[in-house]
Amino acid sequence: VQLVESGGGLVQPGKSLKLSCSASGFTFSSYGMHWIRQAPGKGLDWVAYISSSSGTVYADAVKGRFTISRDNAKNTLYLQLNSLKSEDTAIYYCARADLGAPWGQGVMVTVSS
Amino acid sequence: DVVMTQTPVSLSVSLGGQVSISCRSSQSLVHNNGNTYLSWYLQKPGQSPQLLIYKVSNRFSGISDRFSGSGSGTDFTLKISRVEPDDLGVYYCGQGTQYPFTFGSGTKLEIK
Repeated sequence: VQLVESGGGLVQPGKSLKLSCSASGFTFSSYGMHWIRQAPGKGLDWVAYISSSSGTVYADAVKGRFTISRDNAKNTLYLQLNSLKSEDTAIYYCARADLGAPWGQGVMVTVSS
Repeated sequence: DVVMTQTPVSLSVSLGGQVSISCRSSQSLVHNNGNTYLSWYLQKPGQSPQLLIYKVSNRFSGISDRFSGSGSGTDFTLKISRVEPDDLGVYYCGQGTQYPFTFGSGTKLEIK
């Protein structure tokens, strides 16, 4: 099982970014997936979940600004981040629904002018 | 939202020693299906978190029996026995009973 995030970077407040998480080693389409973030030096903060049938749940802090989606044909999970704020600065991890399979290594998103 | 309160914030232990970490939730973590979705994670320095214990007391695949979880309802404990150098890092409890999933603030384990 391997999860590899990409798409992070430095972005100005109010701008957008799209993160990707490429999955391998398991039947991606059969599993729900999470995005979880960790601000620098801080704890874990759950962001969003998408089920195997593409039902979604969001943390209140990102609802209406972030969109989780998936492409089962490409074994890829996405997180579209819009209207970014400084408090969205964090390492973003993707993780399988059971949170047991190895999490991705994380991708850094820095929101700053 | 369920608030997860972890204590202590940090621990220092000698190699071979034993430690306990407490996690308390603001609401019962018993799901409607009867399961209690309380997990423990270890984040080693510079790494992603890894699952140690799920559903209160079940060790994840490959996790040493030196790690044990217990508790019920709102009070949970992680015990680590015969502490080894590789155990250092930050331990988090987390609940998956209801959305939003929430985590404790972490307990940093240091080796004396």
